[in-house]
Amino acid sequence: AQSVTQLGSHVSVSEGALVLLRCNYSSSVPPYLFWYVQYPNQGLQLLLKYTTGATLVKGINGFEAEFKKSETSFHLTKPSAHMSDAAEYFCAVSSSSGGYQKVTFGTGTKLQVIP
Amino acid sequence: EPEVTQTPSHQVTQMGQEVILRCVPISNHLYFYWYRQILGQKVEFLVSFYNNEISEKSEIFDDQFSVERPDGSNFTLKIRSTKLEDSAMYFCATNRQFNEKLFFGSGTQLSVL
Repeated sequence: AQSVTQLGSHVSVSEGALVLLRCNYSSSVPPYLFWYVQYPNQGLQLLLKYTTGATLVKGINGFEAEFKKSETSFHLTKPSAHMSDAAEYFCAVSSSSGGYQKVTFGTGTKLQVIP
Repeated sequence: EPEVTQTPSHQVTQMGQEVILRCVPISNHLYFYWYRQILGQKVEFLVSFYNNEISEKSEIFDDQFSVERPDGSNFTLKIRSTKLEDSAMYFCATNRQFNEKLFFGSGTQLSVL
């Protein structure tokens, strides 16, 4: 079984400030971990993923996330928020045995960027 | 970047009616999925489809739901007799190989009245 918990359904940051979106996962096998972004009226877009190897992964639009097995966490960060980052962000997990099939999503965090 | 296309973008139907949601996968993709997102809730896996058969489905995907790829291009999700609780955004997703990046469509917003 696998699950994801996202802490904070809404996060507000000032433009230029650090973005930190928290995600903790649970998986009975080594996980694949993902962050997706959803802009209004659009589909889900993959920001970044962790499968194996380097635990710090870099994604699009300046985002990165670090896989910490000891903390079962995969928090998403960006050093400096832009107005265009305002969107909903979903953390997701898939078991390594299942690859990309049956991805389990978190409940999402809406990011607001204040000018 | 290639896109997954979903039609219609919005669908309104009466309870008990049948609906068909359509998805055009990216041309060389072999694996197809449906997910749904009830307003304010998480995105939930419904079903995965490969080689013209269901490879995995969730407990949500009961006998009221079916999927098919009737003409080798469109991938459809049919809900036989809609219920109020079927109201959700339905996302189609595809990938070329089992363990590769998923591409999501922009979704069909289904409203059951």
